[in-house]
Amino acid sequence: GNSVTQMEGPVTLSEEAFLTINCTYTATGYPSLFWYVQYPGEGLQLLLKATKADDKGSNKGFEATYRKETTSFHLEKGSVQVSDSAVYFCASRRTGNQFYFGTGTSLTVIP
Amino acid sequence: DGGITQSPKYLFRKEGQNVTLSCEQNLNHDAMYWYRQDPGQGLRLIYYSQIVNDFQKGDIAEGYSVSREKKESFPLTVTSAQKNPTAFYLCASSLQGGPNEKLFFGSGTQLSVL
Repeated sequence: GNSVTQMEGPVTLSEEAFLTINCTYTATGYPSLFWYVQYPGEGLQLLLKATKADDKGSNKGFEATYRKETTSFHLEKGSVQVSDSAVYFCASRRTGNQFYFGTGTSLTVIP
Repeated sequence: DGGITQSPKYLFRKEGQNVTLSCEQNLNHDAMYWYRQDPGQGLRLIYYSQIVNDFQKGDIAEGYSVSREKKESFPLTVTSAQKNPTAFYLCASSLQGGPNEKLFFGSGTQLSVL
């Protein structure tokens, strides 16, 4: 069946380090893919999305490319900041207007 | 400003008690959802509704009930049958149709058992 698997955390990085959070999906067809971010005590916010193969989503310095050949949608940022500390969720859109979510990856950036 | 409002932010339930979590949206979205978030388990779908007066069970509906009498409101009741209700509950909404759909989330309700 359809699902999303993402890298387990927690991840701790120094400010200005390079970030990668891995995400792979299984699906019939080509679902839309998303990264959501959750700050402490809040709901989730859409960070970026891609709707078809080879699309690149980007926002706030974060990027992710929809890779059909590896069924992946890894999140990357070249230089993280303390304000990027949050939990990041990979998600795919399943049929019937529902979404699959990964288990979340907690990121802490230290000065 | 348009958005989704969940209340209360914190809620405590006594043994055998039913409690209701509120979710209101003024985005004119057709679809609304309830998710449960537990540490290390991500988000699990409880119920969803694609249109007024209609809703479907998600992956973990047992012990929960919902209603959708108005487009803007989708309250969730945690019944006494839910034996492990302590979790962070998130309400979301989306427009219907199209490949570019995305979810808009409320700020969540933390439910704890006394």
